[in-house]
Amino acid sequence: NAGVTQTPKFQVLKTGQSMTLQCAQDMNHNSMYWYRQDPGMGLRLIYYSASEGTTDKGEVPNGYNVSRLNKREFSLRLESAAPSQTSVYFCASSGWTGGETQYFGPGTRLLVL
Amino acid sequence: AQRVTQPEKLLSVFKGAPVELKCNYSYSGSPELFWYVQYSRQRLQLLLRHISRESIKGFTADLNKGETSFHLKKPFAQEEDSAMYYCALKIVGPGGGADGLTFGKGTHLIIQP
Repeated sequence: NAGVTQTPKFQVLKTGQSMTLQCAQDMNHNSMYWYRQDPGMGLRLIYYSASEGTTDKGEVPNGYNVSRLNKREFSLRLESAAPSQTSVYFCASSGWTGGETQYFGPGTRLLVL
Repeated sequence: AQRVTQPEKLLSVFKGAPVELKCNYSYSGSPELFWYVQYSRQRLQLLLRHISRESIKGFTADLNKGETSFHLKKPFAQEEDSAMYYCALKIVGPGGGADGLTFGKGTHLIIQP
């Protein structure tokens, strides 16, 4: 099993550009999450999806949208990127929301100029 | 609101010395706490969770509800323990379902030879 995979690994954007970060898991997990990791700030939850067809805001949702395309895939979209969105983005999944272990992807490094 | 505090950004100890990484939390509900670790160039992974009362790689953590703490301890540090350590608190939403994890800002542990 590949676990949680993310694409791309690294991306550079100009202010105002849009992009979608992709995440997929092959563990048949119900719940998926998007976090951002910033120096000195730890990980902060952007959005999560408790199950296929549902999404909810986390701690820092502004400037982002998500889509739970199916049980395997959970994408994060930046409609108009800003320098403040420069960060490392992690996708995670768990069998059920918040419960037990969350499995993390390798991360996407995003630089917004 | 829930909060996880890791007071030390950086902790440096010598190989063979005891290690204690501090974690304090504030939460009105019944807490479930976790320690996650991120080794250099690797993805975030679960180290241990309090409900399991387990010891992983020589690390233990005891939940102290009176002091609202969940400190991570190891009696004899090893060089391979050098990593970022994050304490995390499970969040329960208003409907009773879990919403994800709140992470502390992390402690960078360096084990010197």
